[in-house]
Amino acid sequence: AQTIHQWPVAEIKAVGSPLSLGCTIKGKSSPNLYWYWQATGGTLQQLFYSITVGQVESVVQLNLSASRPKDDQFILSTEKLLLSHSGFYLCAWTRTGEGTLYFGAGTRLSVL
Amino acid sequence: TQTVSQSDAHVTVFEGDSVELRCNYSYGGSIYLSWYIQHHGHGLQFLLKYYSGNPVVQGVNGFEAEFSKSDSSFHLRKASVHWSDSAVYFCAVSARAGNYKYVFGAGTRLKVIA
Repeated sequence: AQTIHQWPVAEIKAVGSPLSLGCTIKGKSSPNLYWYWQATGGTLQQLFYSITVGQVESVVQLNLSASRPKDDQFILSTEKLLLSHSGFYLCAWTRTGEGTLYFGAGTRLSVL
Repeated sequence: TQTVSQSDAHVTVFEGDSVELRCNYSYGGSIYLSWYIQHHGHGLQFLLKYYSGNPVVQGVNGFEAEFSKSDSSFHLRKASVHWSDSAVYFCAVSARAGNYKYVFGAGTRLKVIA
């Protein structure tokens, strides 16, 4: 069975500080990977997706970047956090051609 | 461009009642239409999806949804809700071919009163 793990579970960071969030998928080779951002009480905004190692496509950047250093790993980062980065970050994966997103448990980020 | 509209931000029903959560979309091509559930503070879980064939699709926990091309709709229904169905429900659309963008509606918060 496939599992998806996000870390950390929660972060409290200062404005201007760097950030790195991670996501790992086990049990599935070559997954399509996604990062979503969700404001409190809001909808999901797709940020990035990746269909292969080393390649990441931006949908909406929001002064964030993403990388896929390994087949099973997806990283979201920024060098300088903004207050507007606060929210819930969700990683997800799909099988090619299936159309179903499988989400991780999310990381809650508070920027103060 | 794909868009998804969920017209009801909040729906409140009593346990045992039936419920319908509405979703309308706009997209010209072949698509996946899906529903997801999010309990407070958690990630989203897949409920069901439609992409072709029988317009009524069955999902987990007694949920079903009906696709209507003429109405551009994909409404979610449950015949008898339980208090544990209280959550936020999201409708999503994505193109079937060569597209990795999934667009979500604003969500409908369902409250079930026991």
